[in-house]
Amino acid sequence: GDSVTQMEGPVTLSEEAFLTINCTYTATGYPSLFWYVQYPGEGLQLLLKATKADDKGSNKGFEATYRKETTSFHLEKGSVQVSDSAVYFCALRSTNTGFQKLVFGTGTRLLVSP
Amino acid sequence: EAQVTQNPRYLITVTGKKLTVTCSQNMNHEYMSWYRQDPGLGLRQIYYSMNVEVTDKGDVPEGYKVSRKEKRNFPLILESPSPNQTSLYFCASTEKAGGAWNEQFFGPGTRLTVL
Repeated sequence: GDSVTQMEGPVTLSEEAFLTINCTYTATGYPSLFWYVQYPGEGLQLLLKATKADDKGSNKGFEATYRKETTSFHLEKGSVQVSDSAVYFCALRSTNTGFQKLVFGTGTRLLVSP
Repeated sequence: EAQVTQNPRYLITVTGKKLTVTCSQNMNHEYMSWYRQDPGLGLRQIYYSMNVEVTDKGDVPEGYKVSRKEKRNFPLILESPSPNQTSLYFCASTEKAGGAWNEQFFGPGTRLTVL
């Protein structure tokens, strides 16, 4: 079945450091890919998405590129802030449009210190 | 404001005492879903509903029931809760527009502890 693998956390960085959180997936066909963010005590918010190969999703300084050849969707940010501290989830959605289940990775906690 | 609401946000209960977690959305979405979040496992789907009176099992449905009598509401029912159902629960909803599914909107979560 479909699955998502993302790097273990926590990832600990200083403010203004470069961030990469790795995400790879296994799926049939051409799934849509997502990054969700969960701030402390809150629900999940969509951070960015990409629906086809070579698409780049971007939002709030975060970027991720849908790489079909490496089945990856790594999250990057050039300069993190303390306010970026959160748990980040990579997810995919099946290409079966009648079936809306999101398959999530295990989440990666990011801690940014001043 | 478009939102998914869940109640209660926190609940501590005892084994075997039936409980219901409510979920409501104000966006007229046809699709709703329940997930549970556990450390090291991410989010896993419990049940989903494609529309009123249409529900189906997700990946981890054992011990749970749902109903969809109205489009806006999708309650999660634990008939006889057990400690292994201690978890953080999220409700989500979405719709199809222009032939494509939109993003899923998530509720704030319900933290359930079963003693």
